Amino acid sequence: KAGVTQTPRYLIKTRGQQVTLSCSPISGHRSVSWYQQTPGQGLQFLFEYFSETQRNKGNFPGRFSGRQFSNSRSEMNVSTLELGDSALYLCASSFTAGQGASEQYFGPGTRLTVT
Amino acid sequence: TQLLEQSPQFLSIQEGENLTVYCNSSSVFSSLQWYRQEPGEGPVLLVTVVTGGEVKKLKRLTFQFGDARKDSSLHITAAQTGDTGLYLCAGALWVSSGSARQLTFGSGTQLTVLP
Repeated sequence: KAGVTQTPRYLIKTRGQQVTLSCSPISGHRSVSWYQQTPGQGLQFLFEYFSETQRNKGNFPGRFSGRQFSNSRSEMNVSTLELGDSALYLCASSFTAGQGASEQYFGPGTRLTVT
Repeated sequence: TQLLEQSPQFLSIQEGENLTVYCNSSSVFSSLQWYRQEPGEGPVLLVTVVTGGEVKKLKRLTFQFGDARKDSSLHITAAQTGDTGLYLCAGALWVSSGSARQLTFGSGTQLTVLP
């Protein structure tokens, strides 16, 4: 079956702009988690959605938000972009909620560069 | 300060050699996962360990979960060039008063296996 897809794969934005990233989970998966990966901080958890509800949120400012649709597709939005938001944004889907409880499948990520 | 410390950060070895990667924390995890990530791709789950003292083998890879569920190791026997990649450990912790489980990732070990 098709894996997790993320669009776009690459994005260049300017400071102060906003950006929306999209994630389509594996068919049948209802949980989507978002992560930010940077060389300095590594892989950090942003939030998890299950059945359109945010179940858990990491330690990121309110500029980072997300949502999940009835078909389990998810979007994350970053407003008022800062240079430090440059990162690889990864989403992962799983069948059940709760990270570490079932296998997560990661997408290839969206590489965001803020200039 | 990282909740999960991985060592070494970088490892470069010759094909055929053995190696061990360590993942340490002062926290007790309900489960611990190991992932491998290759350039331009998302992490791929290798194994999940749940019970203290558990040992799992995946071909030439041996994973061990510490008795106290605070640490883990990954041992690769007779490394091959195809083992090259970023190895990440991730521990699952209960958060939000026990209503959600969240994965915390280590900083990663970049392994290069030379021919």
